[in-house]
Amino acid sequence: AQTVTQSQPEMSVQEAETVTLSCTYDTSESDYYLFWYKQPPSRQMILVIRQEAYKQQNATENRFSVNFQKAAKSFSLKISDSQLGDAAMYFCAYSRYGNKLVFGAGTILRVKS
Amino acid sequence: DGGITQSPKYLFRKEGQNVTLSCEQNLNHDAMYWYRQDPGQGLRLIYYSQIVNDFQKGDIAEGYSVSREKKESFPLTVTSAQKNPTAFYLCASKGFNSPLHFGNGTRLTVT
Repeated sequence: AQTVTQSQPEMSVQEAETVTLSCTYDTSESDYYLFWYKQPPSRQMILVIRQEAYKQQNATENRFSVNFQKAAKSFSLKISDSQLGDAAMYFCAYSRYGNKLVFGAGTILRVKS
Repeated sequence: DGGITQSPKYLFRKEGQNVTLSCEQNLNHDAMYWYRQDPGQGLRLIYYSQIVNDFQKGDIAEGYSVSREKKESFPLTVTSAQKNPTAFYLCASKGFNSPLHFGNGTRLTVT
C-alpha cells in the first residue's frame, strides 16, 4: 500500500521569509499524482499545488513551488515571501489516478510577524 | 455557486445511536468520497463512489455505511459498531480531469 510521510509535525517561519515543508512517499508505480493541501483553522481543505509524476518540471503556483525528486520519492513544498495567511496545517497527498488520495499526517506551519 | 454542502457543522450523539451525516454537491461530479480526520493524523478514506448506485470501501470502512441513490448526494451513516466515532468528517467530490473538491466538514462528538 502507498504511504505518505511528513516528518515535520510543526514548522515556524518569519513573515516574508521562505520555508520548505518535507514529504516522502512510497509507491511502486511510475505514473501518479502528488498534491499539497492547506487546511486553515476553518478546516476547509484548499488545494495548493498539484504535480503529475510524468512531468519532470516542478509545479509552481505564485509563491508556492515544489521540488519533485522522483527517484528519491520526495515532494517538498517551498513557500516564498511567507504571509500571515499562510499559517495552517499542510498535507501532502498521493494518488495513483488523481482520485483516491492517501494523505500524510500533516505539518503545522506557524508564521511569525 | 457550485459547491459541496455538509450538514450539520456540529453533531452530538449518545453512544449506541446511529447517526447520518449529509453531503450534497451541485458540481455535477460523478465521484464522491468520505474521509475521516483525527488529531495528529492525516485524512483517511472511509468510502467512495465513482457512479450512482455503486460504492466501494476505503481503508477504514468498518462501522460505517453509505448510499448513492442520487448523483448529488452521498450520505454517511456512522453505526453503533464504530468503536471511536468522534472525529471530523470530510466529504469530497471529483469531476473529470479536476482535482478533489472538499466540503467544510462535520464535527461529530459521541458521548
